[in-house]
Amino acid sequence: GQQLNQSPQSMFIQEGEDVSMNCTSSSIFNTWLWYKQEPGEGPVLLIALYKAGELTSNGRLTAQFGITRKDSFLNISASIPSDVGIYFCAGPTSGGSYIPTFGRGTSLIVHP
Amino acid sequence: GAGVSQSPRYKVAKRGQDVALRCDPISGHVSLFWYQQALGQGPEFLTYFQNEAQLDKSGLPSDRFFAERPEGSVSTLKIQRTQQEDSAVYLCASSPTGDLYGYTFGSGTRLTVV
Repeated sequence: GQQLNQSPQSMFIQEGEDVSMNCTSSSIFNTWLWYKQEPGEGPVLLIALYKAGELTSNGRLTAQFGITRKDSFLNISASIPSDVGIYFCAGPTSGGSYIPTFGRGTSLIVHP
Repeated sequence: GAGVSQSPRYKVAKRGQDVALRCDPISGHVSLFWYQQALGQGPEFLTYFQNEAQLDKSGLPSDRFFAERPEGSVSTLKIQRTQQEDSAVYLCASSPTGDLYGYTFGSGTRLTVV
């Protein structure tokens, strides 16, 4: 089946720093999703991307759909303590599937 | 309610015991999904309902896992003869349609099998 590789696995940063993480797929995706999960909660959708090259922002978050359609990037600018959590990328299980497959996540810790 | 509600929040079961996990989706959402999330992993798909019909159960790991949604709203995930490897957080999500971006997840049930 399709595999999503996220990197880095974890990040420890100082408040105010910018963060960059990425996700690569073994096959082409036509949709990329980025979720954030806080302890004890379910994932919450942050950004959805629908076409190659697309760049979409949500506040301090910016995500890009890679041109090869096999990768995506998430950037967080000027991090704050509440950015702490696990960030997951996800994409459809197969071509037109409605069922997302998730990466293993990038754990972000922000030191005040 | 306003969100997807799951109960119980925590469940400790002795190995071999049967458990039932409940999911109350957002009212009117036709699609309902169950995911299993092991520690340090991303959620993994278990099964999908559209209304009361179970359209995809390809992710259920064994025949000990069974899910139902008899009236097209509340769903129950049942695990029979629990094993230690079943320990995980079980997440439910609902969507007004099948759109990927319309998912809303519940907070999950953390199952620990001892």
